[in-house]
Amino acid sequence: DTEVTQTPKHLVMGMTNKKSLKCEQHMGHRAMYWYKQKAKKPPELMFVYSYEKLSINESVPSRFSPECPNSSLLNLHLHALQPEDSALYLCASSQGGEGPVWRAFFGQGTRLTVV
Amino acid sequence: LAKTTQPISMDSYEGQEVNITCSHNNIATNDYITWYQQFPSQGPRFIIQGYKTKVTNEVASLFIPADRKSSTLSLPRVSLSDTAVYYCLVGDPNDYKLSFGAGTTVTVRA
Repeated sequence: DTEVTQTPKHLVMGMTNKKSLKCEQHMGHRAMYWYKQKAKKPPELMFVYSYEKLSINESVPSRFSPECPNSSLLNLHLHALQPEDSALYLCASSQGGEGPVWRAFFGQGTRLTVV
Repeated sequence: LAKTTQPISMDSYEGQEVNITCSHNNIATNDYITWYQQFPSQGPRFIIQGYKTKVTNEVASLFIPADRKSSTLSLPRVSLSDTAVYYCLVGDPNDYKLSFGAGTTVTVRA
C-alpha cells in the first residue's frame, strides 16, 4: 500500500466554522507533512511531523492547528479561516529517520473553499 | 536548501524527448537532486533522485555533470499524459524541510 489518503476531497466552510482535514498512511512512514497550494503556485510547506512530534512550523497562523494522534494519522484543524485560505491542502509522508525523507508520497489533497 | 532556477514553461510534441535543466550553483556536498511531477489538482509525485553522473528509471533519466551546479531531467518520447509541472528540488535528503520552487510547466501537444 503506497497511498496517502486524504479526507474530505472537497470542503466548503464559513469563516466562523471549525473543521478538520484528515490524512492517513499505512506505509510505516515516520515523517508527515502538510502543504498549502494556491492555483498555479508550488506547494508551500506548512508543518512537518517527525516521529509524531512537530518538528517544523513554517510560521503558519494559529487558525491552522496540526495534530498527529499516531504514526499513521495526521489532522489539520481549521478555525476562523479567511477567504484567502481557500486552497488545495496536501498531505505527504516519507520514511524519515534513516530513510530518504525527500522521497515523499502525496495525497490527492483537500480542496478547501472558505466563504 | 540550495536555490534552484528552472524554465517557467516548455512546449513539446508527442514522441519527442523533453529535457528540463535546473541550475543550482550553491549546491552543497551533502545535497541530492530530486524531481517531482504534478498533474492539475493532484499531489506531486516523486520521479527521480540523484547525486552525480546519471540515474535512469522507468520514467526518466537524470543527468548531473561533474561540478553538480546544474542537472537535466530527460523525459523520453513524451505523450499527452506527460503534460504537468515538474519541480527540481536540491538539498540534503535527510532534511525534513522539503520545499518546492516555482517548477516548469511542460505542455505536450499532439
